[in-house]
This record gives sequence, C-alpha cells and structure tokens, in this order.
Amino acid sequence: GEDVEQSLFLSVREGDSSVINCTYTDSSSTYLYWYKQEPGAGLQLLTYIFSNMDMKQDQRLTVLLNKKDKHLSLRIADTQTGDSAIYFCAEREGNTGKLIFGQGTTLQVKP
Amino acid sequence: DTEVTQTPKHLVMGMTNKKSLKCEQHMGHRAMYWYKQKAKKPPELMFVYSYEKLSINESVPSRFSPECPNSSLLNLHLHALQPEDSALYLCASSQSGRAFSDTQYFGPGTRLTVL
Repeated sequence: GEDVEQSLFLSVREGDSSVINCTYTDSSSTYLYWYKQEPGAGLQLLTYIFSNMDMKQDQRLTVLLNKKDKHLSLRIADTQTGDSAIYFCAEREGNTGKLIFGQGTTLQVKP
Repeated sequence: DTEVTQTPKHLVMGMTNKKSLKCEQHMGHRAMYWYKQKAKKPPELMFVYSYEKLSINESVPSRFSPECPNSSLLNLHLHALQPEDSALYLCASSQSGRAFSDTQYFGPGTRLTVL
C-alpha cells in the first residue's frame, strides 16, 4: 500500500525556523496536507497543496513540494512555543481519495 | 466556519456499558467520518458516511455501531467494548458527499477510556 514517512522528532529554539519533512510513495496523489495536533486536541488543518504546485505560502508557513522526489516540507518561520505540537503529513491517495497519514513529527520549541 | 464539534470530551465506561459519541457540523458538509487514534499514532479510519448513508466500514468490530440521523449529525454507539478500545475518537467532515473528494476537517475528539 501507499506509505508516508516523517521523522519523529524535531527540537528548535524559539524564534528559529522549523522545517518538517515528509516523503510519500503515491505518484498519483492529488492533494497533500499538513495537520497540527496539540496535546489532548483534535487535528487542525494547517495548510494543503495541490500536487501540480511547487510552493505555497501562508503567513509563517511555507510548503514546498518536490513531486519528482515525492518530498514535501513544512517550514514554520519565527517558531513560537505555541507551535509545539505533533505535525502530521497526509496525502490524498490518487485511487481512493483516502487520507494516508505519516507517523507524525513532534515539534518541541525551547524558550 | 470550519468547525466540527464532538461530545462528550471525555468518557469513561465499563466493558458492559452502552454509550454513544456524538459529532455535529453545520457547514453543510455531506460526508462524515469516524477515526480512531491511539497515543502517538496517526488516526485510523473506521467509517465513512456519504449523503447520510454508510459507504465505508473498515472492518470495524460490531461493538462499534455508527449512525447518521441527518446530514449534520453523526453518532457512534458503543457496546461491550474492550480495554484496548481506549483511544481518542475523532470525527471529520468534508464538503462533497463523494467520500474523500474534498479536504477533511476534524473535530476535537472524544477521549474514551474503557475499564
């Protein structure tokens, strides 16, 4: 089946940029998503990118997509302590449309 | 407004109890989803409703029984659960009635503990 992989943990200092990486296997994916999950909470949709785009920027968030390498990244500029959470990358599978999630990256922001 | 609400926030139940989880959205979305999430893991799909009809059941045990009384509401009825069913149960919705054709928006979840 299709697979999405992420590194499990990232630690940054407040004010630095964070870059969370994700790789996926389904070359027919249509949309790729980033969801944020704070402790004890549900999944919050952060941003998404259509598969024919290379980049999308939304305030402090920049999403880069390298379709050739099937690599997606989320850059958070000026990272704040409130950004500490688990970040899930997900692809919308081309055949079924189901969301295939990565394992999630825990972002720790140190003051 | 992209809000999906879920009640209760927390639920503790014994293995012989019957309880229900409730999910509501007022965005006019026509597809609704139940997911189960264990700690530190991604969500796992359980059920999908399209236009108030069950369209996908991901081989979920019959002790979980979904219901979609109308286009805004989704319930999950629980009966004779096991301790390993303890998890965060997430509801999601998407605009089109065709499952998985649109962005899914998630609720805050119900934290279920089975004793």
